Amino acid sequence: AQSVTQLGSHVSVSEGALVLLRCNYSSSVPPYLFWYVQYPNQGLQLLLKYTSAATLVKGINGFEAEFKKSETSFHLTKPSAHMSDAAEYFCAVSDPLKYGGSQGNLIFGKGTKLSVKP
Amino acid sequence: EAGVTQFPSHSVIEKGQTVTLRCDPISGHDNLYWYRRVMGKEIKFLLHFVKESKQDESGMPNNRFLAERTGGTYSTLKVQPAELEDSGVYFCASSQDLTTGELFFGEGSRLTVL
Repeated sequence: AQSVTQLGSHVSVSEGALVLLRCNYSSSVPPYLFWYVQYPNQGLQLLLKYTSAATLVKGINGFEAEFKKSETSFHLTKPSAHMSDAAEYFCAVSDPLKYGGSQGNLIFGKGTKLSVKP
Repeated sequence: EAGVTQFPSHSVIEKGQTVTLRCDPISGHDNLYWYRRVMGKEIKFLLHFVKESKQDESGMPNNRFLAERTGGTYSTLKVQPAELEDSGVYFCASSQDLTTGELFFGEGSRLTVL
């Protein structure tokens, strides 16, 4: 069965510092991978996704993630943190062979809360 | 364009009572999903509608949970009777094009069972 592990339930960085949120997955087939973000009092919003094209994926708000098959990882990074990046981040995976390619049945990690200090 | 809306935003009920959560997807989205997050745990898939049909309900915990999507528009998720372990945040999401991999989520309905 597929699973997603996010290392660190809480990460705190200073404004302007590098953001690195870790995600590892286990899957028997190359999966589709996603990062979602939930800002306070809002729904989850897609940050970026990997669907077997370029391994370095750029998303919204300056975030990017790199798919590394050998490490089964999909870590999320941002070079310089901003106060507005404070939120909870979720890594998720779907099975591209399921439902003829449906990507809606997602398996999520437990989430990482990012705090940004001034 | 209105996003996915969920009602109520928070519900507090006693064990044994019934609660009905509602989700209005983005207009025109055929795919509707229910997910649940129990405190401290992962967001977990409950079920998937395509229009009014249940495509996959493998994540539904037990028969105390009943989801409907009459007419392929809004959906309801009823919990009857509610148990303590049903407490959590219930998210609804919708999508029209599953090839993009993007689900549009609502803000969630927080359920507290006392």
